[in-house]
Amino acid sequence: QSVLTQPPSVSAAPGQKISISCSGGTSNIGTYSVSWYRQFPETAPKLLIHDNDQRPSGIPDRFSASQSGSSASLDISGLQSGDEADYYCATWDSSLSASVFGPGTKVTVL
Amino acid sequence: QTQLHESGPGPVKPSQTLALTCRVSGDFVTNGIYYWSWIRQHPAKGLEWIGYVFFSGITVYNPSLQSRVTISTDTSKNQFSLRMTSVTAADMGIYYCARSLPYGARVGRAPAYDSWGPGTLVTVSS
Repeated sequence: QSVLTQPPSVSAAPGQKISISCSGGTSNIGTYSVSWYRQFPETAPKLLIHDNDQRPSGIPDRFSASQSGSSASLDISGLQSGDEADYYCATWDSSLSASVFGPGTKVTVL
Repeated sequence: QTQLHESGPGPVKPSQTLALTCRVSGDFVTNGIYYWSWIRQHPAKGLEWIGYVFFSGITVYNPSLQSRVTISTDTSKNQFSLRMTSVTAADMGIYYCARSLPYGARVGRAPAYDSWGPGTLVTVSS
């Protein structure tokens, strides 16, 4: 049971924009920065966003993110079939004294 | 480009010790900037952070695993390792080593993992 909450699944047609939410509390997202990861089946997660809204080199600007209060969200615009994957948020939790991940959201392109 | 690659001895028997190694290329475990972490993923489940080691030897572990886990570096081989004692079936899953960007709890900056190994499957079976 994660301290972070994500919707199990999100789906949309190609070209659409989706948002994936990540909800937490004051001991985690309310205090610490959020990172986002994409994971294809049978592969390791890949960093998409760090420090709430910063894209590493090579990540297209179709991926954007924000954080407000104890929640964060990842937006994917111009959805493509290649975006079908699991997406995870992560942060630090001071109550647990641990790095924590959300349960993941499966994105389906219709 | 930094690359990480996990390796291990294969299946582990219950109650035995799991030992994994992460070989690092394109960077150095002594660079004094990044943290070197282990993260695992249970089958069809989410990701669980195990802990990290810093070049100075400082380690931080997930409190839920702290009593059974040791992470260390071998600077001569540019690698870091995970030892987990008294394994059970609950420890089965894919184990990843990862590099974490600099972070600081005092400034509200959480770890972010920018390089990952491909992962290694750990099975626990008698």
